[in-house]
Amino acid sequence: AQSVTQLDSHVSVSEGTPVLLRCNYSSSYSPSLFWYVQHPNKGLQLLLKYTSAATLVKGINGFEAEFKKSETSFHLTKPSAHMSDAAEYFCVVSETVAGNNRKLIWGLGTSLAVNP
Amino acid sequence: EAQVTQNPRYLITVTGKKLTVTCSQNMNHEYMSWYRQDPGLGLRQIYYSMNVEVTDKGDVPEGYKVSRKEKRNFPLILESPSPNQTSLYFCASSFRGQTNYGYTFGSGTRLTVV
Repeated sequence: AQSVTQLDSHVSVSEGTPVLLRCNYSSSYSPSLFWYVQHPNKGLQLLLKYTSAATLVKGINGFEAEFKKSETSFHLTKPSAHMSDAAEYFCVVSETVAGNNRKLIWGLGTSLAVNP
Repeated sequence: EAQVTQNPRYLITVTGKKLTVTCSQNMNHEYMSWYRQDPGLGLRQIYYSMNVEVTDKGDVPEGYKVSRKEKRNFPLILESPSPNQTSLYFCASSFRGQTNYGYTFGSGTRLTVV
């Protein structure tokens, strides 16, 4: 079975400094991987996705993530944090279950705080 | 605008009083799903539907029902809500269960059962 581990439950950075949110996964085959963001009292928004194409994936709002098969990692980065980036971030792996159904396996989330 | 619409956004109810949370999508997606989000537990799948009249249990289906009579709608029904169903609920949809497209999520329904 596949699983996702977000290595930090909380990350705090200063505005203008880099962001690194770490995610490791376990998978018996090539996974599809995603990062979602959830702002306070808002829904979940897809930031970016990896689906076996380029290993460096660019998403919205300046975020990107690199798929490293050898390290089973999919860390999320941004060169310069903005106050509006403060949110909860979820790393997600897609798992194939019975037939053609695919299920999302969610990490527990990383809360990102951005300090002025 | 392509979106998933959930209603209501907030709901406080009493134990045992039947309720329905509606979910509607305007993207002609075949696949729809319900999740609940709880602190320390992340998002867990309640039910999903591959298409009209095709539904199946997720990881935590107890105490919930769903129906898929039309492609666009996927209501979540709590026949007899209990306090342990207090949670934040999300509806999501995608094409054909191929989640490499990514899901589109609704804005969530915060349910409190007292």
